[in-house]
Amino acid sequence: GESVGLHLPTLSVQEGDNSIINCAYSNSASDYFIWYKQESGKGPQFIIDIRSNMDKRQGQRVTVLLNKTVKHLSLQIAATQPGDSAVYFCAERGRYNQGGKLIFGQGTELSVKP
Amino acid sequence: EPEVTQTPSHQVTQMGQEVILRCVPISNHLYFYWYRQILGQKVEFLVSFYNNEISEKSEIFDDQFSVERPDGSNFTLKIRSTKLEDSAMYFCASRLGGSTDTQYFGPGTRLTVL
Repeated sequence: GESVGLHLPTLSVQEGDNSIINCAYSNSASDYFIWYKQESGKGPQFIIDIRSNMDKRQGQRVTVLLNKTVKHLSLQIAATQPGDSAVYFCAERGRYNQGGKLIFGQGTELSVKP
Repeated sequence: EPEVTQTPSHQVTQMGQEVILRCVPISNHLYFYWYRQILGQKVEFLVSFYNNEISEKSEIFDDQFSVERPDGSNFTLKIRSTKLEDSAMYFCASRLGGSTDTQYFGPGTRLTVL
């Protein structure tokens, strides 16, 4: 069945280092992927997204990489800051899902040490 | 910047009572969603809504749940007879539609069923 999961539940990095958060998905028919950041007690906040016709997309300090061959998604955060500490979720949408339902992974908690 | 808003932020209710969770999606968005997140778990899809009707619903969204867009701005989730296991954070999200896929989430309503 469909599933989106994360490789690591927690990630601890030093301030200023780069962070890489990984995600595996199982639905090869998914055509859209999105990363959300969730701070404690708040709703998911959009970070960056990517369509399946792309391999890489860059934003401000963030890069998403998509490897469709192995069904793997990653979020790279450059020069990680204490404000980046949060839980990060990847989510996918099925290609033929007209309603746009997102399927979320379990989440990775990123902790940034000063 | 436009954002999704939700009220109340926290709702406490007795088992068997009806609750209505309210959301104001971003004003020009056409697609609306409810998700829930049980403490410490991933975000789960409940229902999508477009053109005044449900597009898709999950197994969680049984006969006890209903959604409504009573006017041009509000989007509500009603739980007719709450159960202990309905305790969770409930997130509303909206999407512009067309070629825009990004769903923007509200801050959530924490529902506690006693």
